[in-house]
Amino acid sequence: EDQVTQSPEALRLQEGESSSLNCSYTVSGLRGLFWYRQDPGKGPEFLFTLYSAGEEKEKERLKATLTKKESFLHITAPKPEDSATYLCAVRLIQGAQKLVFGQGTRLTINP
Amino acid sequence: KAGVTQTPRYLIKTRGQQVTLSCSPISGHRSVSWYQQTPGQGLQFLFEYFSETQRNKGNFPGRFSGRQFSNSRSEMNVSTLELGDSALYLCASSLYPLDTQYFGPGTRLTVL
Repeated sequence: EDQVTQSPEALRLQEGESSSLNCSYTVSGLRGLFWYRQDPGKGPEFLFTLYSAGEEKEKERLKATLTKKESFLHITAPKPEDSATYLCAVRLIQGAQKLVFGQGTRLTINP
Repeated sequence: KAGVTQTPRYLIKTRGQQVTLSCSPISGHRSVSWYQQTPGQGLQFLFEYFSETQRNKGNFPGRFSGRQFSNSRSEMNVSTLELGDSALYLCASSLYPLDTQYFGPGTRLTVL
């Protein structure tokens, strides 16, 4: 069964303390891995798309990387406004062209 | 450019009723997908429409249905509501089916 697993479930950091979020997947085919950010009561906000192993994308304090079995979202010197739930999703080649989401990592940055 | 809009934002219904949710995609986007988000199951794919045709459907019962109009706007309908249908229903649009999806704010449905 196609699965996307994110870890940790929750992460609490001090402002400026860098860390990484993990997204591992076991799917029969991958046609893109997506990172979204979701604030409470809002819809997910698109961050990055990665297509092939070795690919990296950056935006402000965030950097996403992809290997054959997992992706990392690195957060450098985070600020309180980076607090949110970060969602990873994969698009499958076989079957429905839908996004399969992980359960998310709830990130809290304390000032 | 305006984002994805969903109406209504909040809805309270009772068991057995039916409900229709609406989604207006980003201007120019022709693909619309629907997702259900609950604390226990997370985000789950419901269905995807492109050019008024349903391309894919998730593992939900037939009580969940949808359609897309010629202007790309989409509606989803849930009949015979159950308590377990309480969730945030999210609509996402993209230029084409395999493009990046942009989400709306969601409709919070509560079934009593």
